[in-house]
Amino acid sequence: KQEVTQIPAALSVPEGENLVLNCSFTDSAIYNLQWFRQDPGKGLTSLLLIQSSQREQTSGRLNASLDKSSGRSTLYIAASQPGDSATYLCAVTGSGNTPLVFGKGTRLSVIA
Amino acid sequence: DAGVIQSPRHEVTEMGQEVTLRCKPISGHNSLFWYRQTMMRGLELLIYFNNNVPIDDSGMPEDRFSAKMPNASFSTLKIQPSEPRDSAVYFCASSFQGRATEAFFGQGTRLTVV
Repeated sequence: KQEVTQIPAALSVPEGENLVLNCSFTDSAIYNLQWFRQDPGKGLTSLLLIQSSQREQTSGRLNASLDKSSGRSTLYIAASQPGDSATYLCAVTGSGNTPLVFGKGTRLSVIA
Repeated sequence: DAGVIQSPRHEVTEMGQEVTLRCKPISGHNSLFWYRQTMMRGLELLIYFNNNVPIDDSGMPEDRFSAKMPNASFSTLKIQPSEPRDSAVYFCASSFQGRATEAFFGQGTRLTVV
């Protein structure tokens, strides 16, 4: 059974810092990996999708990498801003349209 | 597209009452997922459909929970009778088979059973 772990559970950084959020998964036979952002009381917003054949994806100040063989992904946020404060969730899917399995998230606070 | 639409956004009900949550997936998507989120357990899959057919309902906690997808544009999750431990946020998500299978989530329904 696939399990997804995110470390740390919570992180607080001063504005302007670059930071890395970590995600690991137990079964390397994934189809894709998706990073989401969740603001308090809101739904999940998709940030980046990495297919199993890819090594990384970039969107603005966000860069996600994938090392399938070692079961790891990182989300790099450059020049963090207070507006980046949210919970970041990592999720993987095993094939085409099987459901996403989620980690418990990292709660990020960026202090002005 | 308006995205995945869920209703109601908030629901407060008394223990023992029937609760129905609704979801409209993104047009053209053919997979639909129901998740439940709690502080203790995070996001858990309840059930998912491919082409309106339930594929895996092993995450449905009890027989009190049921889900239907009568057509490609509508799904319901019903709890009957509801209990206080069902209080959680329920999310619906959809995706399109054959592409990158990026999943999109609705805003969720916050259910409180008193």
